[in-house]
Amino acid sequence: AQSVTQLDSQVPVFEEAPVELRCNYSSSVSVYLFWYVQYPNQGLQLLLKYLSGSTLVKGINGFEAEFNKSQTSFHLRKPSVHISDTAEYFCAVTGTSSWGAAGNKLTFGGGTRVLVKP
Amino acid sequence: DVKVTQSSRYLVKRTGEKVFLECVQDMDHENMFWYRQDPGLGLRLIYFSYDVKMKEKGDIPEGYSVSREKKERFSLILESASTNQTSMYLCASSAIRGLYSPLHFGNGTRLTVT
Repeated sequence: AQSVTQLDSQVPVFEEAPVELRCNYSSSVSVYLFWYVQYPNQGLQLLLKYLSGSTLVKGINGFEAEFNKSQTSFHLRKPSVHISDTAEYFCAVTGTSSWGAAGNKLTFGGGTRVLVKP
Repeated sequence: DVKVTQSSRYLVKRTGEKVFLECVQDMDHENMFWYRQDPGLGLRLIYFSYDVKMKEKGDIPEGYSVSREKKERFSLILESASTNQTSMYLCASSAIRGLYSPLHFGNGTRLTVT
């Protein structure tokens, strides 16, 4: 089984400032890692994913995340945020062995609300 | 684009009522999921299905059941609604193709049980 901890429940940030959202996971097996974003009154959509290969992953809307296996972390960053980045962000994990025909079950963290101020 | 449609955006039901939440996807996806979203708890998996008439319990199945009679439709059933089932419910679907297939979410149904 896996678990995910998002260390910040809310992050206020000024427009054009950088932001980092922290995510730590726990797992006894190899993992795939994801960040999803939920804009107000919408469902979740995928920002980026780590499956294998380079530990620095680039996603949509200028976001990137770095997988650190030794620290079991997958922090999300953006160098300069916009008002439109105001949303809730979710880190998610699944064991590599649970991916596939039996259903790609994800375990989500508690979410981080980002409020971008002008 | 994949579309996952949840039949209701808001629902208000009384304690003890039987409640049906409906979800339809239009991309012939094999997998379908029901999550519950609560502040500070993120999303928790209630049930999922990887084929018609197949279902698997997620992490919090108590008080819920599901039905998947057709590939495109996945229903969540609250047999006897209780106030602690007041929540946002999110449906998602994904394909089984190759190594990875992302989850596609509906916009959610906010259920209030009074």
